[in-house]
Amino acid sequence: SQQGEEDPQALSIQEGENATMNCSYKTSINNLQWYRQNSGRGLVHLILIRSNEREKHSGRLRVTLDTSKKSSSLLITASRAADTASYFCARHRGNDMRFGAGTRLTVKP
Amino acid sequence: EAQVTQNPRYLITVTGKKLTVTCSQNMNHEYMSWYRQDPGLGLRQIYYSMNVEVTDKGDVPEGYKVSRKEKRNFPLILESPSPNQTSLYFCASSLSIRYEQYFGPGTRLTVT
Repeated sequence: SQQGEEDPQALSIQEGENATMNCSYKTSINNLQWYRQNSGRGLVHLILIRSNEREKHSGRLRVTLDTSKKSSSLLITASRAADTASYFCARHRGNDMRFGAGTRLTVKP
Repeated sequence: EAQVTQNPRYLITVTGKKLTVTCSQNMNHEYMSWYRQDPGLGLRQIYYSMNVEVTDKGDVPEGYKVSRKEKRNFPLILESPSPNQTSLYFCASSLSIRYEQYFGPGTRLTVT
């Protein structure tokens, strides 16, 4: 069963707006990772946040982690048409990785 | 260039005909993993390997086999493919499970 669930399933915004995607999980984690996938292609790693961290930034990306609520969020600021993709969270626990079903983000120019 | 390669990229086969999808990485990574991606289900882990000769089942191992005889290679074997194994398959590797994964370009498999 999947252990990372993204919300919303789909998100459509205008260029320049911010996009927020959420991820919830059910069990404790070692770290949580966010990936991007352009249509049908391999996933690309965005940010890894460890269980003892609360927030990380990378360029226009900001990830938060709330282990008490078992949830994480990915914020993309000042979105661009090139940000159109699917975004997945993946939780690492023990020796395996569990991905959610993803959020499909569409950024309209 | 650091990369994960998969072959073939596309494959159409018939039920019961054994096939192997190869995966190779050139980053000296210890951890390697296979996933399948189906619409609405995200990625589900099939098998993973912590190091040479160390493999373990993921979420959906039924109908698949793997081996890790060398650090760089992690082939996925379908002994008797069935139509429900039609999917997009990804191989990934990382320095260890605690680090980010690098994904291959994917193999689109159709079993008729």
